[in-house]
Amino acid sequence: AQSVTQLGSHVSVSEGALVLLRCNYSSSVPPYLFWYVQYPNQGLQLLLKYTSAATLVKGINGFEAEFKKSETSFHLTKPSAHMSDAAEYFCAVSVSSGTYKYIFGTGTRLKVLA
Amino acid sequence: DVKVTQSSRYLVKRTGEKVFLECVQDMDHENMFWYRQDPGLGLRLIYFSYDVKMKEKGDIPEGYSVSREKKERFSLILESASTNQTSMYLCASSLPGSRGKTGELFFGEGSRLTVL
Repeated sequence: AQSVTQLGSHVSVSEGALVLLRCNYSSSVPPYLFWYVQYPNQGLQLLLKYTSAATLVKGINGFEAEFKKSETSFHLTKPSAHMSDAAEYFCAVSVSSGTYKYIFGTGTRLKVLA
Repeated sequence: DVKVTQSSRYLVKRTGEKVFLECVQDMDHENMFWYRQDPGLGLRLIYFSYDVKMKEKGDIPEGYSVSREKKERFSLILESASTNQTSMYLCASSLPGSRGKTGELFFGEGSRLTVL
């Protein structure tokens, strides 16, 4: 069975500081991993995805994530936070064999301080 | 541009009313999903469908039903709305996660339902 744990339901960073949002997963088979972003009163938008190619994945808006199998982690980072990055971020796991279901983390709300 | 459209962004209903939430996608996706989003609980899967007239229960199907008569449309039905169904409802679609596709989800804007 798959599961996802996001550490920290709320994270605050100063504008220009490093953003680090943590995600750990559990999967008995090689996973697909995703990060989604949700702006207020909107649906979720795909930021980036890991599909067993490169372990360092680059996404939109300057975000990237690194798949570390030994640590079962897929943390999301951005070198310099911008005010527009304030949103809720969700990590999700799906198996690579074509499952119809995804498991989502409980989300991390990012606040960017001026 | 890919699009998933949810017919109602905000609804207010009374306890016991029948509620229909409609979702349409224009990407010819086989898979469609209904999630419920509540603070601190993330997204929880209510139902999903991998083909027309096919449906599968998700993690929290109680009190809900679905209908998929056409490939592009997936409806969520609350037969008798209750206050504990006040929530944000998100529809999503995807290609199958096979045949080289990763099957990432494409979401609608959400329907915020309040049941009084």
